Amino acid sequence: DTEVTQTPKHLVMGMTNKKSLKCEQHMGHRAMYWYKQKAKKPPELMFVYSYEKLSINESVPSRFSPECPNSSLLNLHLHALQPEDSALYLCASSQAGGSGNTIYFGEGSWLTVV
Amino acid sequence: AQSVAQPEDQVNVAEGNPLTVKCTYSVSGNPYLFWYVQYPNRGLQFLLKYITGDNLVKGSYGFEAEFNKSQTSFHLKKPSALVSDSALYFCAVRDNDYKLSFGAGTTVTVRA
Repeated sequence: DTEVTQTPKHLVMGMTNKKSLKCEQHMGHRAMYWYKQKAKKPPELMFVYSYEKLSINESVPSRFSPECPNSSLLNLHLHALQPEDSALYLCASSQAGGSGNTIYFGEGSWLTVV
Repeated sequence: AQSVAQPEDQVNVAEGNPLTVKCTYSVSGNPYLFWYVQYPNRGLQFLLKYITGDNLVKGSYGFEAEFNKSQTSFHLKKPSALVSDSALYFCAVRDNDYKLSFGAGTTVTVRA
């Protein structure tokens, strides 16, 4: 079973709404990630936090705003999204540094933008 | 940049038969290779990884993978497939400390 917990599992929001996705891990990992996945496609990296600092932003539109309040929590704030942003959003975590570290994924949050 | 390729979009096998999901890689330097499985409407689950050492890597749920440097391959195998193994499988290679480059994915269907 995954030790990366994501809430909510499902979210429907209008294009003018503001909502947040939440992620929590208790594995002591100091790297946390947001990925976006469309149906039957591989996940696409959005953001990486390392030691609570934003390390990587894969040129994600500003309507997605990540936040890492502490080493266990990761949020993704959503505002003024478009219907094409509908997707599965996956949170993940790993030990920081070292290419051999395994990245562990949560079950995801299904987002529908109407 | 590091990359992996999964040459088969779909693999169909009968329950009880061997299952192989193919992956080839292209890297500069030492490869760090991973296999993940995604069951319908679920997140990605880690199966196994090759970092260094033995070319045969054993993982979760009875899966194993063989690292072949000369053929630049990292095929996933299971001796006897189960219907419950039906899922989407991703091969991935570590690009740097934080980035994973995924293959396009292979859908496995195991028929009873």
